[in-house]
Amino acid sequence: ETGVTQTPRHLVMGMTNKKSLKCEQHLGHNAMYWYKQSAKKPLELMFVYNFKEQTENNSVPSRFSPECPNSSHLFLHLHTLQPEDSALYLCASSLRGGFYEQYFGPGTRLTVT
Amino acid sequence: GIQVEQSPPDLILQEGANSTLRCNFSDSVNNLQWFHQNPWGQLINLFYIPSGTKQNGRLSATTVATERYSLLYISSSQTTDSGVYFCAAHGEIKIQGAQKLVFGQGTRLTINP
Repeated sequence: ETGVTQTPRHLVMGMTNKKSLKCEQHLGHNAMYWYKQSAKKPLELMFVYNFKEQTENNSVPSRFSPECPNSSHLFLHLHTLQPEDSALYLCASSLRGGFYEQYFGPGTRLTVT
Repeated sequence: GIQVEQSPPDLILQEGANSTLRCNFSDSVNNLQWFHQNPWGQLINLFYIPSGTKQNGRLSATTVATERYSLLYISSSQTTDSGVYFCAAHGEIKIQGAQKLVFGQGTRLTINP
């Protein structure tokens, strides 16, 4: 248990569906991150929020829409995804957005059919 | 941007053996983390090690920042050590304080009984 939780753990959705992934951290951190891990690829940073402000959007398609209502919660809203978006989506948090240790949640394994 | 390379990509050992995993990075880094990803996808923090040597039980890590590499040592391997080991480096600082954690491709370690 790292102090970062993610729900759901598994999600299967069709290309026309809309779904959301949720992340919550209980560590008192102020920076939160979304990463994508596809088969045979390194983890890729998608979004960074530092004190609820988005500071990084790593050229992610608009069908992925992040939301950070406060420093403890992070969402990833999904719509009209493609099969190649199937991956493990990992949330992380750190004390701030600088050179601080990042802690990861267990991930949501997403399958797009 | 910074690049992170890990070697070897795969390592198969018998229980009780020792192993050394290597992480090279292309540029100056402000920090470095080692993770173990278990079969369910959870990334477990092993070390946060900008320089020097740290030890935690059977695991230890050394980072030589001036020579741009880090090593992870696992002694007396157990089957539960199996999984993928990632190193990740903090790269350049961003204007608003967030920076990318860039991951290597990982080393897949298999410990046979």
